[in-house]
Amino acid sequence: GQSLEQPSEVTAVEGAIVQINCTYQTSGFYGLSWYQQHDGGAPTFLSYNALDGLEETGRFSSFLSRSDSYGYLLLQELQMKDSASYFCALPSGYSTLTFGKGTMLLVSP
Amino acid sequence: EPEVTQTPSHQVTQMGQEVILRCVPISNHLYFYWYRQILGQKVEFLVSFYNNEISEKSEIFDDQFSVERPDGSNFTLKIRSTKLEDSAMYFCASSPGPERAYEQYFGPGTRLTVT
Repeated sequence: GQSLEQPSEVTAVEGAIVQINCTYQTSGFYGLSWYQQHDGGAPTFLSYNALDGLEETGRFSSFLSRSDSYGYLLLQELQMKDSASYFCALPSGYSTLTFGKGTMLLVSP
Repeated sequence: EPEVTQTPSHQVTQMGQEVILRCVPISNHLYFYWYRQILGQKVEFLVSFYNNEISEKSEIFDDQFSVERPDGSNFTLKIRSTKLEDSAMYFCASSPGPERAYEQYFGPGTRLTVT
C-alpha cells in the first residue's frame, strides 16, 4: 500500500517563505506530486518530482529525496491568495493518485 | 484554457435513489478518473478509465458504483442505491496520457448530499 504524512496546518505571514514537508511509504515509486486546493474548490496540479533535487516553478519549488522518502513544497513571497490546502500525492503506475491528508496553509497580513 | 467540467454542481437525493454524476474531460486527454472527498478529509481515488474500460479501482468502488463513457465527450459516475455515507464532493479528473498520471486536471466537483 501507500501512505503519506504531512503536517495538518502551517501558518505564515505575507512575504515570508514556508516549507510544507511530506514523507511517504510506497512499494513502487513513480514520483511525488503536489496539489493546491482552495476551500471548496478543485485540486490544482502544482509540481512533480520524479528524480532527486529541486524543481522550481515561479514562486513555488518542490524538492525530493528518494533515499529519505521525503519531499517538500516551498512557497516563497507568500501572498494572501496562497491560503489553501496543499496535498502531496503519489502516482501509482499509470492510473492512480494517492493523496496525503493535506496541509492547511494560513497566510496572515 | 481547456478545463474539466462537471454537472450538476450540487445534487440532493434520498437514500436508496440512483444518481448519475456527469463530467466532460479535457478533449485530448486519454485517462479519466473519479475521486471523492468527504468534508474536511483527503481526496480519495475511486476509479480510473482508459480506452473505454476501467483501468484501476479502489476498495471504495464497489458494485454500487459504475462508470461509463457514453459518447466521445462525457464521462459518468453512477451510484445505484445511495447511502448516507456517499455524501461527499465528487471530483472528475483527466490526464493527457498514461505516463502523466502525476498531472491530473480536476473539475469543480459535484457536491452530493444524501438524505
